[in-house]
Amino acid sequence: GAVVSQHPSWVICKSGTSVKIECRSLDFQATTMFWYRQFPKQSLMLMATSNEGSKATYEQGVEKDKFLINHASLTLSTLTVTSAHPEDSSFYICSASRDETNYGYTFGSGTRLTVV
Amino acid sequence: AQSVTQLDSHVSVSEGTPVLLRCNYSSSYSPSLFWYVQHPNKGLQLLLKYTSAATLVKGINGFEAEFKKSETSFHLTKPSAHMSDAAEYFCVVISNTNAGKSTFGDGTTLTVKP
Repeated sequence: GAVVSQHPSWVICKSGTSVKIECRSLDFQATTMFWYRQFPKQSLMLMATSNEGSKATYEQGVEKDKFLINHASLTLSTLTVTSAHPEDSSFYICSASRDETNYGYTFGSGTRLTVV
Repeated sequence: AQSVTQLDSHVSVSEGTPVLLRCNYSSSYSPSLFWYVQHPNKGLQLLLKYTSAATLVKGINGFEAEFKKSETSFHLTKPSAHMSDAAEYFCVVISNTNAGKSTFGDGTTLTVKP
């Protein structure tokens, strides 16, 4: 149990376009999902906490208007990178949990975004 | 406040020898602690977790970790390294009172030599 599906696994887009990344909990309901960004050879940086039915909570320094997060249902959260630029190229990972303190988080497989 | 320190950014071992990846934490409240493994361009896979039960925790692929409150440590060990263990390892702390937010260590790259 506790499977998180992330799609797409990789995407290449042109500067100025928008890209949507989906994160789905397949066999459990997740009222909270998390979005991370990971630069090469670095740890994960929490970008925002996605709450079902309400606005996401962004970490300091993360642009809300650039990284739009929508948590439309208990099993789906989306991250849209708007007006992408080459500096947005990165590895984006989502996670979800039924009970984080007892089960930890289940991570998606990540999305490699390359903006050209 | 909570923090995690992975004491070694790189660890290199020979195949068949023991593995030790060190992690120290700080947390205002009783934490839950986890070790995750990440292979290149992949998501993170849970290796094991400590959630206030037995202090010696056994995980997948022969890994285990011991929670030592007096030393605020949660080191990851494996008796005999395998080539497939080469990956990035993250120690993670989650506080019961921090809205479920996780704090990641900076990661340790494990290299396994033949």
